[in-house]
Amino acid sequence: GENVEQHPSTLSVQEGDSAVIKCTYSDSASNYFPWYKQELGKRPQLIIDIRSNVGEKKDQRIAVTLNKTAKHFSLHITETQPEDSAVYFCAASREGNKLVFGAGTILRVKS
Amino acid sequence: KAGVTQTPRYLIKTRGQQVTLSCSPISGHRSVSWYQQTPGQGLQFLFEYFSETQRNKGNFPGRFSGRQFSNSRSEMNVSTLELGDSALYLCASAGTSGTDTQYFGPGTRLTVL
Repeated sequence: GENVEQHPSTLSVQEGDSAVIKCTYSDSASNYFPWYKQELGKRPQLIIDIRSNVGEKKDQRIAVTLNKTAKHFSLHITETQPEDSAVYFCAASREGNKLVFGAGTILRVKS
Repeated sequence: KAGVTQTPRYLIKTRGQQVTLSCSPISGHRSVSWYQQTPGQGLQFLFEYFSETQRNKGNFPGRFSGRQFSNSRSEMNVSTLELGDSALYLCASAGTSGTDTQYFGPGTRLTVL
């Protein structure tokens, strides 16, 4: 079945710097790749998603890139702020709404 | 629109008991998926229901089951609880068939003693 690996497991950046989180997936038939942000004690919230017919998508300070050939996708956060501190999860799906998640990245933004 | 709601929010059970968790999706959404979140295993897919039919299933034992009602509300049941079933159980709703954006509920924190 699908396997999603996520790196790094923890990431500390200075406020204002950029943060990059990378994920690789195993199933070449996967066609949907969302990113979720989860703050402590709260539900995962979708921050951005991309489908396999698109190489890049941007929403203000957040962008996602997808390389189907290499089977990896990345989350880019620019001008990080303390409120960006959270756990970020990548996921992949090839069928219906079955998401396979990466293990998560703890992002700490130091002010 | 109101978001995804889950009840109860917290639950304490003992080994061997069974438990039923409930999820009400966003109005108009017909897909409900369930996930288990633990520190060790992360977020794992349990199953998805769409229009009252189980459409996808993860790799969990048969003790975990679910159903969906005609109003799209869903329940999941865990029988013969084990200590390892302690987790945050999240449901997510999506609008249509195929692969759609999923919105998560706040979760039910289950503790098995």
